[in-house]
Amino acid sequence: AQSVTQLDSHVSVSEGTPVLLRCNYSSSYSPSLFWYVQHPNKGLQLLLKYTSAATLVKGINGFEAEFKKSETSFHLTKPSAHMSDAAEYFCVVSSSGTYKYIFGTGTRLKVLA
Amino acid sequence: GAGVSQSPSNKVTEKGKDVELRCDPISGHTALYWYRQSLGQGLEFLIYFQGNSAPDKSGLPSDRFSAERTGGSVSTLTIQRTQQEDSAVYLCASSFQTTTYNEQFFGPGTRLTVL
Repeated sequence: AQSVTQLDSHVSVSEGTPVLLRCNYSSSYSPSLFWYVQHPNKGLQLLLKYTSAATLVKGINGFEAEFKKSETSFHLTKPSAHMSDAAEYFCVVSSSGTYKYIFGTGTRLKVLA
Repeated sequence: GAGVSQSPSNKVTEKGKDVELRCDPISGHTALYWYRQSLGQGLEFLIYFQGNSAPDKSGLPSDRFSAERTGGSVSTLTIQRTQQEDSAVYLCASSFQTTTYNEQFFGPGTRLTVL
């Protein structure tokens, strides 16, 4: 069985400070992991994906995530937050080679000026 | 267009009426998915199509919900006798099928409000 837990429903950071959005997963098989972002009234956009290649994955807009098998984590980070990063972020797990996406409950990121 | 498109973007209907939601996937994508995003429920998988067949309908919440896909392209999600609890954003996604990973591309969604 697969599951994903996003540890924070809301995160607030000041502009220019680091961002950390936490995600833990459970998967019986080799997982594929994704982070998606959803801006207000917009569709989901893929930020980055892990598919068993490099454990440190770089995505768009300066985001990156590190796959840590021992900790079953896939936390999303960014060195310096920008106002335009304010959005909802979803961590997703999928067993490699299958179609089924299991979504986390989302983390709403607020960026303070 | 290059992305997944959905129509209408907004739909307001009265309880008991039927509604149809449309999804146009990215050209060449064989797999198509419907999800529902509602307050308090997060993102729920509804149904998956591979070509025109639906191997997994396990997420459809009741027999009032049905979906079809024709020509391996456009899909329609139909909700009969709508109820207020059907109010949500309905998202469609499409993907290539691969053996290693499966990146899904999402449309902007249809916001359904049942009065």
